[in-house]
Amino acid sequence: KNQVEQSPQSLIILEGKNCTLQCNYTVSPFSNLRWYKQDTGRGPVSLTIMTFSENTKSNGRYTATLDADTKQSSLHITASQLSDSASYICVVSVLSGGYNKLIFGAGTRLAVHP
Amino acid sequence: DAGITQSPRYKITETGRQVTLMCHQTWSHSYMFWYRQDLGHGLRLIYYSAAADITDKGEVPDGYVVSRSKTENFPLTLESATRSQTSVYFCASSETGLSYEQYFGPGTRLTVT
Repeated sequence: KNQVEQSPQSLIILEGKNCTLQCNYTVSPFSNLRWYKQDTGRGPVSLTIMTFSENTKSNGRYTATLDADTKQSSLHITASQLSDSASYICVVSVLSGGYNKLIFGAGTRLAVHP
Repeated sequence: DAGITQSPRYKITETGRQVTLMCHQTWSHSYMFWYRQDLGHGLRLIYYSAAADITDKGEVPDGYVVSRSKTENFPLTLESATRSQTSVYFCASSETGLSYEQYFGPGTRLTVT
């Protein structure tokens, strides 16, 4: 069964600290993996998209890594800010029934405290 | 640049009533999607559309109807709302297909009593 699991479910850190969010997936055939940020009451916004051949991609203070062999990805946030408080969603695109299907993780809820 | 908008943002309806959620995008994207997001679960695809007059089922289509007569609009109708359809609904659009960048609307929070 195609699944995307994220950990931890929730996380609290202090402003200025770094953190790493994890994503494990059991889907194939893999097309690409993306991370989204979802602020409370808003729609998800894309942070990064990585294909099979990419093992790292950065977007400002956000750095995503991908290990296609172990089917793991991580999102590292550097020097966190209060505005980083949000849910972070890992999404894997798979080939299914002739089209690319998006499998969404349940998300990690991050709270950054002053 | 309005992007992608949804209306209403909040809706309360009774079991058995018909309700339509609206989605409008200004980018002329070919693809549009409807998802539902439930607490503790990832987003799940309800329906998608590759172009005007072309729609297809996603993962959880039962109880929903869509249409797309114009490229910019993609309404989602619950023909007879049930409490299990209480959820947050997101519309999204994309220039190409499901695997490419999708841009999400702000969501509609629907409560069925």
